[in-house]
Amino acid sequence: KQEVTQIPAALSVPEGENLVLNCSFTDSAIYNLQWFRQDPGKGLTSLLLIQSSQREQTSGRLNASLDKSSGRSTLYIAASQPGDSATYLCAVSYSGAGSYQLTFGKGTKLSVIP
Amino acid sequence: NAGVTQTPKFRILKIGQSMTLQCTQDMNHNYMYWYRQDPGMGLKLIYYSVGAGITDKGEVPNGYNVSRSTTEDFPLRLELAAPSQTSVYFCASSYDRAFFGQGTRLTVV
Repeated sequence: KQEVTQIPAALSVPEGENLVLNCSFTDSAIYNLQWFRQDPGKGLTSLLLIQSSQREQTSGRLNASLDKSSGRSTLYIAASQPGDSATYLCAVSYSGAGSYQLTFGKGTKLSVIP
Repeated sequence: NAGVTQTPKFRILKIGQSMTLQCTQDMNHNYMYWYRQDPGMGLKLIYYSVGAGITDKGEVPNGYNVSRSTTEDFPLRLELAAPSQTSVYFCASSYDRAFFGQGTRLTVV
């Protein structure tokens, strides 16, 4: 069974700081990995998707890396802003029972202090 | 382009009542999912579908049923609601990137 772990569970940083969120997974036979953002009371928004054959993806101030062999991914946020405050979730898509399932970590709650 | 639409947004049920959570997507995705999200527990997969007519159980299927008669629609049925089903329910669809609805907040009293 695939398990996804995110550390830390919560993080508070001052505005302008660079930060890294961590994600680890137990089964390296993944199809892809996604990072999501969830604002309170809202649905999830996909930020970045990394295919299993890729090492990283970038979008604006966000950079996600993938090391499939070690079962790890990081989400790097540069020059953090108060608007980045949200919960960030990592999810892996893997082949289970003949189809692709999406398994989530519990998330990291980020607070960026002005 | 509406993406994934869930209805209703909020609902209060009495123990033993039944209801259907609706989910529709307009992106022609084959894969669709139902998750529940409880505080501190993350998202748990209830059911998923790989295409019209094909559904399968996820991690926490007990007390729920689904059907997938069309590519667009993937309703989730709760029979005999229990307090343990109080949660926020999310529907999602994907090709590679997953798209989520805004969620249904369900309270069973």
